[in-house]
Amino acid sequence: AQTVTQSQPEMSVQEAETVTLSCTYDTSESDYYLFWYKQPPSRQMILVIRQEAYKQQNATENRFSVNFQKAAKSFSLKISDSQLGDAAMYFCAYVERSEKLVFGKGTKLTVNP
Amino acid sequence: GAGVSQTPSNKVTEKGKYVELRCDPISGHTALYWYRQSLGQGPEFLIYFQGTGAADDSGLPNDRFFAVRPEGSVSTLKIQRTERGDSAVYLCASSPGRGAYGYTFGSGTRLTVV
Repeated sequence: AQTVTQSQPEMSVQEAETVTLSCTYDTSESDYYLFWYKQPPSRQMILVIRQEAYKQQNATENRFSVNFQKAAKSFSLKISDSQLGDAAMYFCAYVERSEKLVFGKGTKLTVNP
Repeated sequence: GAGVSQTPSNKVTEKGKYVELRCDPISGHTALYWYRQSLGQGPEFLIYFQGTGAADDSGLPNDRFFAVRPEGSVSTLKIQRTERGDSAVYLCASSPGRGAYGYTFGSGTRLTVV
């Protein structure tokens, strides 16, 4: 079964600094997608960034970028110039053709002013 | 609608009662998903609809849980004989086709069984 592991239950960063959240996954599939979702107290899962496994180029979305290491099955999220509004739970997730998103347990990010 | 709407936002029920949770997906989205998120955990898959039919219900924990999507839009998750262990946030998501191209989540229903 596919699994997603987030080894950092909590992380903190100073405003304007950079932080990296870790994620590893386990799969035998070659065609899959990886996501980072942000979940604020409102509970809604908000898509931060998406990566297709067949693309070698790392995805970027403004201040958010990933380091996708397919052989190592690693998918870390880098947040640059952290802002107070970035504080939330962050979940790494994986999906392949079964359509079932598999989530990690999440990392709680605190941004200190 | 503009987003995925879930009602009620919060539901408190007594052990043994029946509850229904509603999900109104984005108009035109053919795929609809239900997930359950227990405290301190990531969401776990329950069921996936493509149109009106349940394409995969392997995540439903037992036969007390059932979901329908009769007209291919609104879906209802039904829980019979609720137990305290059913307490969780139930999240719904929809996508225009294959989920890998984009899931939009609702804000969930927090179910508390007392």
